[in-house]
Amino acid sequence: RKEVEQDPGPFNVPEGATVAFNCTYSNSASQSFFWYRQDCRKEPKLLMSVYSSGNEDGRFTAQLNRASQYISLLIRDSKLSDSATYLCVVNSNSGYALNFGKGTSLLVTP
Amino acid sequence: DAGVIQSPRHEVTEMGQEVTLRCKPISGHNSLFWYRQTMMRGLELLIYFNNNVPIDDSGMPEDRFSAKMPNASFSTLKIQPSEPRDSAVYFCASGRDDYGYTFGSGTRLTVV
Repeated sequence: RKEVEQDPGPFNVPEGATVAFNCTYSNSASQSFFWYRQDCRKEPKLLMSVYSSGNEDGRFTAQLNRASQYISLLIRDSKLSDSATYLCVVNSNSGYALNFGKGTSLLVTP
Repeated sequence: DAGVIQSPRHEVTEMGQEVTLRCKPISGHNSLFWYRQTMMRGLELLIYFNNNVPIDDSGMPEDRFSAKMPNASFSTLKIQPSEPRDSAVYFCASGRDDYGYTFGSGTRLTVV
């Protein structure tokens, strides 16, 4: 079983829609969780960390469910510029390194 | 802050040739990571260093791959001999402690 699993999508949504991405991870000892964003032919960039209590950054909300080993990302009022691949990221057994999911592709259309 | 700097941006080489990828991490970061990305396998961790010391190289595909970090400001990933299946985008990333880290722009390697 892969350490981080995501629905690859693609998710095609109209501007203004709300979209949610989910991710599961296998290592119950993981302590650090993140969402990264990757634009086509670009490097991944940190979008936000994910905290146990849940956290929000503008239109973006991240949630963590440790019991179910499940992470989510909610994007409200989608913009065209949100079109990208969203990578779910969890720290590895060794703690320092991060394991990346294969990403969920989002396309926001006019 | 110039970010993580990788070179070259693109590399096309013939099978059997040696390839060297270079990375300059962000000053002050104590961890450095090499990842490889392909459509099929996504982002795979190859090796990472902490305070210039290799911590985990279990992701290095085989003996043809080697990585060094002679000082805090420079790292190399070498493939010798290169094979067509090594074609991928190779990313270097650096970070500090347990926070999410910063990626370089990547090296797009094509082995023909």
